[in-house]
Amino acid sequence: GAVVSQHPSRVICKSGTSVKIECRSLDFQATTMFWYRQFPKQSLMLMATSNEGSKATYEQGVEKDKFLINHASLTLSTLTVTSAHPEDSSFYICSARDPKGGDNEQYFGPGTRLTVT
Amino acid sequence: AQSVAQPEDQVKVAEGNPLTVKCTYSVSGNPYLFWYVQYPNRGLQFLLKYITGDNLVKGSYGFEAEFNKSQTSFHLKKPSALVSDSALYFCAVRDKGYQKVTFGTGTKLQVIP
Repeated sequence: GAVVSQHPSRVICKSGTSVKIECRSLDFQATTMFWYRQFPKQSLMLMATSNEGSKATYEQGVEKDKFLINHASLTLSTLTVTSAHPEDSSFYICSARDPKGGDNEQYFGPGTRLTVT
Repeated sequence: AQSVAQPEDQVKVAEGNPLTVKCTYSVSGNPYLFWYVQYPNRGLQFLLKYITGDNLVKGSYGFEAEFNKSQTSFHLKKPSALVSDSALYFCAVRDKGYQKVTFGTGTKLQVIP
């Protein structure tokens, strides 16, 4: 099946710094990618929908200036957490939709564990 | 608005016994329904999907799910549980007309040897 990678898998940063997380579709072109945030023992919360070549659509309550999303190509979307604070510590998961369809709607990356100290 | 409910935070079952993980949904139109599994510190893996057709959907690793329109349910089942099935399971729904997928809160399945 299709593969989505995320880099880095884990990152620790100091409060006030910015962190960039990459999401790549390795064997298909994804016109749409999604960014989720998952708190411990909780469900996935959709943060934003990223469409290649256009601005991301953010969910209600998600600060677009804090969580910058760039979908510059059909295989890469990036999430930048700006001026990170400890409350931003979380598990961030991206997913990508393969427009050629098939049974699966979205292929998920392995996630990135962000810890802000 | 669309929503998903997974009423059980945790399900425990003995190895070899059948398992059921419950899910109910709410959408305004025809639903697309999904089950995903998540292992610790990993992303989600697709198990199965219902769009239309037979109410019983068969998926990966021997899992199946039954779509029940009248009860708005999509319970995940497996005839014989394995210890390796222990993981976090998410039900998800999408209204046919929308792109956004809504996830349930997840059910932790524990299969006891």
